[in-house]
Amino acid sequence: SQTIHQWPATLVQPVGSPLSLECTVEGTSNPNLYWYRQAAGRGLQLLFYSVGIGQISSEVPQNLSASRPQDRQFILSSKKLLLSDSGFYLCAWSQSGTSTDTQYFGPGTRLTVL
Amino acid sequence: AQSVTQLGSHVSVSEGALVLLRCNYSSSVPPYLFWYVQYPNQGLQLLLKYTSAATLVKGINGFEAEFKKSETSFHLTKPSAHMSDAAEYFCAVSDQQTGGFKTIFGAGTRLFVKA
Repeated sequence: SQTIHQWPATLVQPVGSPLSLECTVEGTSNPNLYWYRQAAGRGLQLLFYSVGIGQISSEVPQNLSASRPQDRQFILSSKKLLLSDSGFYLCAWSQSGTSTDTQYFGPGTRLTVL
Repeated sequence: AQSVTQLGSHVSVSEGALVLLRCNYSSSVPPYLFWYVQYPNQGLQLLLKYTSAATLVKGINGFEAEFKKSETSFHLTKPSAHMSDAAEYFCAVSDQQTGGFKTIFGAGTRLFVKA
């Protein structure tokens, strides 16, 4: 069966510090991968998605970036965090080549920028 | 552009009462529609999905949703609420125009269940 991992589970960082969140998927190959942010009391905002190694699409221009160094690894980064980067970050995957596009979510990372 | 509107950011019901969470979508092509549930500090999990088969879709935990093309709606229902149903619920749409890779999520509806 497929599983998705995210770490860390929680993170408190000062403004201006760098960020690296990691997501890995097991039990499938060539998945579509997604990073979402969920701000307090708000819905999901798609940040990045990837359909293959090295292929990243950005949905929202901001100080975040994403990389996919391996087939089942997706990393969200920032060089300098802003207060507005606080939120709940969710990684998700879906099966490549299907049109139903059910997404499977990781447990999330709670980021607080102080 | 595709969009999803969830009517009511908060819904409160008594235990044992009917649950009705409303979702309307906008799509120029036949959509795939989803309901996801999120418990506090967890990721989302799929409740049910519509993929152009039966218009009444049954999901986990006793939930079901009916696709009504004429009303562009996909409302989520459960006959009898349980305390464990308290969570946030997201309606979502995906179709060929989004390339099959992106899903558009609604803003979410938080369900409160009173004893």
